[in-house]
Formats: sequence, C-alpha cells, structure tokens
Amino acid sequence: GAGVSQSPSNKVTEKGKDVELRCDPISGHTALYWYRQSLGQGLEFLIYFQGNSAPDKSGLPSDRFSAERTGGSVSTLTIQRTQQEDSAVYLCASSLRPPGASTDTQYFGPGTRLTVL
Amino acid sequence: DAKTTQPPSMDCAEGRAANLPCNHSTISGNEYVYWYRQIHSQGPQYIIHGLKNNETNEMASLIITEDRKSSTLILPHATLRDTAVYYCIVRANNAGNNRKLIWGLGTSLAVNP
Repeated sequence: GAGVSQSPSNKVTEKGKDVELRCDPISGHTALYWYRQSLGQGLEFLIYFQGNSAPDKSGLPSDRFSAERTGGSVSTLTIQRTQQEDSAVYLCASSLRPPGASTDTQYFGPGTRLTVL
Repeated sequence: DAKTTQPPSMDCAEGRAANLPCNHSTISGNEYVYWYRQIHSQGPQYIIHGLKNNETNEMASLIITEDRKSSTLILPHATLRDTAVYYCIVRANNAGNNRKLIWGLGTSLAVNP
C-alpha cells in the first residue's frame, strides 16, 4: 500500500517568509509525528498527534512553529517568519498503534528539504 | 540527550555479516530497543525491535544481552544497498511515557565491494 507522503519535496524560501509543509500519513494510522534533521545530525522530535488527544508539542523549538492535523489524517507543519537556522529536512512519520500498545513502529516519509536563504 | 551510544562508522565487505553494536546502559525495564536505518536522502526505515529476547526478521537479527545494557544488529549478508546510517533507539511503549524517539548520530555503515 501507499506509504507516508510529504510535499513539497524541496522548498526554498527567503528569510522572514512563512512556509507550510504537508504530510499524508498511511491510511488508518492513528499517530503522526514530525521531526527535523539538520545536516549530519540525528532526528529531532518536534510534535506528536494521537487520535483526538491534545498534541504533544514539547519539541517545537519556538512559537514560530505550529502544526495541525485535520480530520485525524493529513497534517500541516507551519513555520512563520523563517530563519536561516530553520534550514533542515523535515520528516513526518505515522504509526498504527497508540503508544500504550505493545509496539509503535513508525513509518517515515521521504521528508521535505527546507532551505532558508 | 540520546540514550544510546554507537560507533560513528563501520566498514563491511559485501556478502559478509555486518554486526552493529549499541550500548544502552541506562535502559529501563519497559523500554524497547528499536533499530532504524537511513539511506542517503531518504526517510528512516524501520528494521527491527525487541525487548528482552533475540529477534529475527527478513531484514536482520537483533541480539540483546541478558542484562539488556547492549545489543547488536546483525545483517547476515550485507549488500551494497545496505550502506546507510543505522540508528539504535530505546523507547518506552507505556501510555503517558515519553512517546518520541530520541535519536543519536547513529553508525554510518559502508558496505564495500
């Protein structure tokens, strides 16, 4: 079946502009995660959605970052007034089972490479 | 901070077994060990996970020491396509615990012809 998809694959923007990144999770997956990965680094958690529960926003680096998940499916990560340090690959993952279950394997999309000039 | 320690890089000859170590000395009783890999310019790919017992699937085997403080991922017959960064992650699955995966820098595995 279809995996996690993300769009756009690449985004170049100017400092100070707002950007929106989209994630389409695997159908039926209840959990959705956003991470970012700077060059040569491991993944940094940003935000987590689980069903209708309040999202875990503990990883968002500043109030310029926000995310929504509409209808329990598609998610949009928004970065306002982008800065050069926001340049990174933004990865989305989804999983079938909530963390209370015995496993929580996350399936990742290909990522969006954001470059802020 | 990452809860695991991995060597930054390893080499392996094509067709040989690749054994990737991971130390997780502070692992808690309810934390699983997950392995993912990331091929250049792609999103991470799930490989395998385990709690106490050794696990095997079509991709790899996971050997966890009896004290659970370390583990080894084994790719039995490495191919050039296995060249990637391999991440070892520990994570609790209980509701209310930290749900996010905490990623270190992983091991960059180079499979050579």
